[in-house]
Amino acid sequence: KAGVTQTPRYLIKTRGQQVTLSCSPISGHRSVSWYQQTPGQGLQFLFEYFSETQRNKGNFPGRFSGRQFSNSRSEMNVSTLELGDSALYLCASSFEGQWAFFGPGTRLTVL
Amino acid sequence: QQPVQSPQAVILREGEDAVINCSSSKALYSVHWYRQKHGEAPVFLMILLKGGEQKGHEKISASFNEKKQQSSLYLTASQLSYSGTYFCGTGVRGTNAGKSTFGDGTTLTVKP
Repeated sequence: KAGVTQTPRYLIKTRGQQVTLSCSPISGHRSVSWYQQTPGQGLQFLFEYFSETQRNKGNFPGRFSGRQFSNSRSEMNVSTLELGDSALYLCASSFEGQWAFFGPGTRLTVL
Repeated sequence: QQPVQSPQAVILREGEDAVINCSSSKALYSVHWYRQKHGEAPVFLMILLKGGEQKGHEKISASFNEKKQQSSLYLTASQLSYSGTYFCGTGVRGTNAGKSTFGDGTTLTVKP
């Protein structure tokens, strides 16, 4: 099976802009979770989608949103970017949500 | 609330053993372990679903003590390729099943 894919792999944006990241899970997996990873904060849970519904949400501001399509692909959107949003954004795919296979990540740099 | 990992960092020589611990203040349904090498995504190592369960993969094994709400990862006869940051992730039952919470990681450095 193909692994989890994320696009784009690298992004450079300026403050105030918005960004959309994409994640394609492993075929057959219905759960997609998003994580933000920074050197000082580790892996922080953003949200999880399961069968097109947001099932869990972390403690991030409303600028962070997501959605999942009928083919389980998921997108994450960050509006009004701030410098502190610079991070590696990881998408994780699983069949029902208990453990995860991670994608390679999207490295976002906000200038 | 995220699990607590200890130690934060370990430096070993090839062939030495290491133990990484993961503990939680919440009742756990599952514990899963990952290894992340610099610049790469975390890679799933194993999941433990039942109290008392032990699993192993070559020279890396783990145990899960459900009563104590903790898990330990054992790396024996470490190899250079074991270097990286190890994360434990914890899962709970029910509607939060997809919300895995991760520890801050333990950085393992294996030197020749």
